[in-house]
Amino acid sequence: EAQVTQNPRYLITVTGKKLTVTCSQNMNHEYMSWYRQDPGLGLRQIYYSMNVEVTDKGDVPEGYKVSRKEKRNFPLILESPSPNQTSLYFCASSLTQGGGYTFGSGTRLTVV
Amino acid sequence: AQSVSQHNHHVILSEAASLELGCNYSYGGTVNLFWYVQYPGQHLQLLLKYFSGDPLVKGIKGFEAEFIKSKFSFNLRKPSVQWSDTAEYFCAVTTDKLIFGTGTRLQVFP
Repeated sequence: EAQVTQNPRYLITVTGKKLTVTCSQNMNHEYMSWYRQDPGLGLRQIYYSMNVEVTDKGDVPEGYKVSRKEKRNFPLILESPSPNQTSLYFCASSLTQGGGYTFGSGTRLTVV
Repeated sequence: AQSVSQHNHHVILSEAASLELGCNYSYGGTVNLFWYVQYPGQHLQLLLKYFSGDPLVKGIKGFEAEFIKSKFSFNLRKPSVQWSDTAEYFCAVTTDKLIFGTGTRLQVFP
C-alpha cells in the first residue's frame, strides 16, 4: 500500500531533550515536506526536500533540522525542544513539485 | 509573498444544506490548486485538485470546486452535505512549494 509512515504517533518529552520524528514513504517520491498544524494557523511548512541531499527552509524552520540521506526517509530533528514546539506534525510526499501530496498520519508532540 | 485565504473559519450547517467554502490565493503565476479534508483525529486527505483544463473539477464524495482565474479563487462546493462531512477543510496552492490556508471547520448537524 502506498503510504507515508510517521513515527511515533504521540510523544511527550521535556524541554531540551533531543528527539527525532521519522518519516518514510514507499512511493519513490522526489519531494518531501514537514508541516506543523496549530489551531487557527492551519498548516505551516517547516522544511522541504526536493531530492536526496537537497533540503530548504519552509516558513517556520527555527528550532528544527532535517536530513535527506535516502530518497524514502526524511526525519525531523528537534535538537533542543521547547514548549512552543508543542504541535501536531505532518510529513508529506509528492512525485512532482506541483503535484498533490500524500500525508502521513501525524505526530502529536507535547513538550513540557 | 504567496498566500492562501480561507474566509470562512467555522461553518455550521444542517444535513442536506448546500455548501460553499471560499478560497482565494495571491500569486500571479501558474498555480496548481487543491482542497484537502481532515476528518476528526485523522490526517489530511486529498479531496480534489486542479492543474489545468476544465476549471470545474469534481472530487470525491460529491465535492466540486471551480477555478476562477480572474478572481484568484478556487471555491469548494457540495449541493447537499451529510453529517459525515463534518471535518476541517484546507485549500492549498503549489507554486514552488505547497502553501495552505488556515482551514475551515465544517460542522453538519443531523
